[in-house]
Amino acid sequence: GENVEQHPSTLSVQEGDSAVIKCTYSDSASNYFPWYKQELGKRPQLIIDIRSNVGEKKDQRIAVTLNKTAKHFSLHITETQPEDSAVYFCAASMSGGFKTIFGAGTRLFVKA
Amino acid sequence: DVKVTQSSRYLVKRTGEKVFLECVQDMDHENMFWYRQDPGLGLRLIYFSYDVKMKEKGDIPEGYSVSREKKERFSLILESASTNQTSMYLCASSHGTSSGANVLTFGAGSRLTVL
Repeated sequence: GENVEQHPSTLSVQEGDSAVIKCTYSDSASNYFPWYKQELGKRPQLIIDIRSNVGEKKDQRIAVTLNKTAKHFSLHITETQPEDSAVYFCAASMSGGFKTIFGAGTRLFVKA
Repeated sequence: DVKVTQSSRYLVKRTGEKVFLECVQDMDHENMFWYRQDPGLGLRLIYFSYDVKMKEKGDIPEGYSVSREKKERFSLILESASTNQTSMYLCASSHGTSSGANVLTFGAGSRLTVL
């Protein structure tokens, strides 16, 4: 089955700096890669996603890149702000499939 | 506008007790899921359901069962709770399509402590 590995487990950056979180997946059949943000005490919420027919997607300060050949995908946050502090989860699934497999999560601290 | 509601935010149970965790969604979603969240392990899929009365095992189904008698409700059952089931349980739902992305909407979570 699918396995998703996520690094780093903890990331601390200064406000205004960029943050990058990297994930790898094992099942080449996976073609949908969402990212969820979980603030302290709250539910995970989708912040951005990418399909395998696209190499990069951007939404304001966040972007996701996908390398299908290497089975890597990454989340990039630019100009970080304190409210970006949260746990971020990458995930992989197949469009139309039922199982979404999550990475272990990255706890991001943005220091003011 | 809460769309996925988990009835209990915090529960404390004793070893061997039967535990019911209830989840209700109001989005008419076909798919519903139960995940377990533990530090350093991410979210692990316990069971999911793609239709009423249908259920499929996820990656860690041992010690759990589920029930889906109505489209909007998905229950997680621990027949005999054990201390290693102390965890945060997250319910989620999605609008399943044959070609669409499986975007999950999560509930607020139920934190279960088994003593």
